[in-house]
Amino acid sequence: DIQMTQSPSSLSASVGDRVTITCQASQDISNYLNWYQQKPGKAPKLLIYDASNLETGVPSRFSGSGSGTDFTFTISSLQPEDIATYYCQQYDNLLIFTFGPGTKVDIK
Amino acid sequence: EVQLVESGGGLVKPGGSLRLSCAASGFTFSSYSMNWVRQAPGKGLEWVSSISSSSSYIYYADSVKGRFTISRDNAKNSLYLQMNSLRAEDTAVYYCARVRWVVVAAMVDYWGQGTLVTVSS
Repeated sequence: DIQMTQSPSSLSASVGDRVTITCQASQDISNYLNWYQQKPGKAPKLLIYDASNLETGVPSRFSGSGSGTDFTFTISSLQPEDIATYYCQQYDNLLIFTFGPGTKVDIK
Repeated sequence: EVQLVESGGGLVKPGGSLRLSCAASGFTFSSYSMNWVRQAPGKGLEWVSSISSSSSYIYYADSVKGRFTISRDNAKNSLYLQMNSLRAEDTAVYYCARVRWVVVAAMVDYWGQGTLVTVSS
């Protein structure tokens, strides 16, 4: 089974800061990697799919990159409404999905 | 507007059973694969099970294999999760979620609001 790790597990940053989260897969997953945002008490929301594609309607301050085993998620300028937990998620072509443990982002 | 509405959650004793339902609307349900994803209180997201659009392909997480059964009724635009032999560690909010494919990329693009399952004596 493919395992996903994320770092850091939490971070605190100031409004306007650049925030970077990394996600690592235990084996090569090509670019089969998505990123989700989850606010407290809410369902997750898709932000980035296929490692670097921005979902329709998602602000351009969110971006993703990487392939193989190492991936990066970036918020270019942190906004108060970005306070949430962010999850990476890998899938294989058998409809098996694995989520990373999450990164909690809050405002300093 | 895409809507996914779960129901069927509640309190159940260890070893008991529960059936979750998800009513889908606003899209052609029969054209999409669907997932169940759960989240234990204060914990992260855990994929539970997937079913292809025609039910030809079904997959389960190891943690629920042999105890949970996913199914769908395309005529009723509904997704189900039959949960048997429930354990305390199955306590979670269960989300119904739609899978979208873009060429060979798969993603969960819509989620329901979730239904809480509590397993406790």
